[in-house]
Amino acid sequence: AQSVAQPEDQVNVAEGNPLTVKCTYSVSGNPYLFWYVQYPNRGLQFLLKYITGDNLVKGSYGFEAEFNKSQTSFHLKKPSALVSDSALYFCAVRDAGGYNKLIFGAGTRLAVHP
Amino acid sequence: DTGVSQNPRHKITKRGQNVTFRCDPISEHNRLYWYRQTLGQGPEFLTYFQNEAQLEKSRLLSDRFSAERPKGSFSTLEIQRTEQGDSAMYLCASSIRDEQYFGPGTRLTVT
Repeated sequence: AQSVAQPEDQVNVAEGNPLTVKCTYSVSGNPYLFWYVQYPNRGLQFLLKYITGDNLVKGSYGFEAEFNKSQTSFHLKKPSALVSDSALYFCAVRDAGGYNKLIFGAGTRLAVHP
Repeated sequence: DTGVSQNPRHKITKRGQNVTFRCDPISEHNRLYWYRQTLGQGPEFLTYFQNEAQLEKSRLLSDRFSAERPKGSFSTLEIQRTEQGDSAMYLCASSIRDEQYFGPGTRLTVT
């Protein structure tokens, strides 16, 4: 069965420092991986996806993610964090069983301190 | 606004009452999904429509839940005889390719 793990409930980083939010996955076949961000009282916003191709994927708001097949990881990164990046981040994998439904991790709260 | 919209945004109901939520997807998107999100968890899949056909339902979707998408446009999710365990955020998403675009959600509180 497909699954996603986000090992950190919360990540704290100082503004201007690089940030990493970790995600590992378990899938049968080739993984289709996604990152979403959720701000308070709002729905999820799509950040980026990995389907195939380059292992470094660039997305919205300066975020990028690195796909590592051997480590089954898809960590979200940003070179310089902003206070406005503080939010809840979800990693997701597309279910290989069809119809493209997403299986989400439990989420990681990112707190960027001034 | 051309994004996914959901109404109402908040719903408070008493246990045993019926509730209905509406989702209006992005107009050209033929795929529509419903998810449920509880506090501290990621969204969990409930059901999927391709155009007007409901093609997949999760085991989470008990027989008190029903969803429709008439004419492949908007969708409704109805919960009958609500229970306190139904309290959650109900999210709708639509897509035409790989990524799904989510609405703001309907927060249901059952008292």
